[in-house]
Amino acid sequence: EAAVTQSPRNKVTVTGGNVTLSCRQTNSHNYMYWYRQDTGHGLRLIHYSYGAGNLQIGDVPDGYKATRTTQEDFFLLLELASPSQTSLYFCASSDVGGPNYAEQFFGPGTRLTVL
Amino acid sequence: GDSVTQTEGQVALSEEDFLTIHCNYSASGYPTLFWYVQYPGEGPQLLFRASRDKEKGSSRGFEATYDKGTTSFHLRKASVQESDSAVYYCALSAGNEKITFGAGTKLTIKP
Repeated sequence: EAAVTQSPRNKVTVTGGNVTLSCRQTNSHNYMYWYRQDTGHGLRLIHYSYGAGNLQIGDVPDGYKATRTTQEDFFLLLELASPSQTSLYFCASSDVGGPNYAEQFFGPGTRLTVL
Repeated sequence: GDSVTQTEGQVALSEEDFLTIHCNYSASGYPTLFWYVQYPGEGPQLLFRASRDKEKGSSRGFEATYDKGTTSFHLRKASVQESDSAVYYCALSAGNEKITFGAGTKLTIKP
């Protein structure tokens, strides 16, 4: 069974639209992450969290908000979507401080298109 | 800040060819180094890691050796197969909570 799931898998919206991407992990991991993946840039960290109610700023946070409601659930919010946010988004979880030093486990991704 | 440079953006080989993907890093302290692999339609998954100088990581016939002197962690495989076609990411973690990824190398193996 997949331990990190994302929904929706595909999303199309218009410029200025409001989008929420969802991620759930059943690994009992403390850390969760949101990345975007673009050709030539690899994976870039948007936001991450070490527990419910916590949010840490990543490397490319502009235009994104995030919220961690429970240990399992982490949401990425685009309140005024722009075409530059068209990308493949990945969620990941990690047991930081656990035995598998810093290994991150990724979901299957959400492809977002902003027209 | 920390950074990872992968020299090759794309590599095309035939089955049984030797593979090298170059990875150099820049980080303060003593980072842990990783190779992740991403198959089409999936998220990245860990291939292997190395945490100290001269340590060799390996999995599924792939290997890389941590070289602190040259700040490198090159990925190698002696004989590639069509099933190895994927995107490969070199990455580092200088602390425990964040990983910095390289731009990725798309490997295509022709049968």
